[in-house]
Amino acid sequence: EVQLVESGGGLVQPGRSMKLSCAASGFTFSDYYMAWVRQAPKKGLEWVASISYEGSSTYYGDSVKGRFTISRDNAKSTLYLQMNSLRSEDTATYYCARHNNSTFDYWGQGVMVTVSS
Amino acid sequence: DIQMTQSPSLLSASVGDRVTLSCKASQNIYKYLNWYQQKLGEAPKLLIYYTNSLQTGIPSRFSGSGSGTDYTLTISSLQPEDVATYFCQQYNSWYTFGAGTKLELK
Repeated sequence: EVQLVESGGGLVQPGRSMKLSCAASGFTFSDYYMAWVRQAPKKGLEWVASISYEGSSTYYGDSVKGRFTISRDNAKSTLYLQMNSLRSEDTATYYCARHNNSTFDYWGQGVMVTVSS
Repeated sequence: DIQMTQSPSLLSASVGDRVTLSCKASQNIYKYLNWYQQKLGEAPKLLIYYTNSLQTGIPSRFSGSGSGTDYTLTISSLQPEDVATYFCQQYNSWYTFGAGTKLELK
């Protein structure tokens, strides 16, 4: 069974940094692209970033480009999202998702990030 | 950027009804469209990919159609467990989602 478990969220002040993790199990992690998708409170979904199998290629949405960094550790089957220069508009639930042939076919339960002073 | 517009934003229907949800892209997306279901408090679930292909394990009452800029998700006979918000997502140019259609029981 595919499982994705996010961690690392919480309350952070504007301008500060936070790092999210996503532990994957139930599939061969290195065989898949992975992604982060976020959902602001009572809002729709927004693709944040994706990463290739070995991590050599990364892709970002315009709203986070230059501030967020996606990475992975295939030996640990873990996906990361380093978030710098956080803004109030980054407040959202962040989902880790398996990125499979242009679909997001499995999702974690999400982790809440609140950016506020 | 490709914008995705879903309508209606809220839909009320009865058990057994045939339900149609719409999704319109700001430009031709060549059928590169997926649908997701999100129940309250849960993560989204992939229902349909590439406009009309049913994801494994999804009931056959769900179907998708469309081309060009206009796409639909149809539930042939609404069940109580289908109460959820439904999102479309294009992947012709990066990835963008619609704002969602919230489906409730009448």
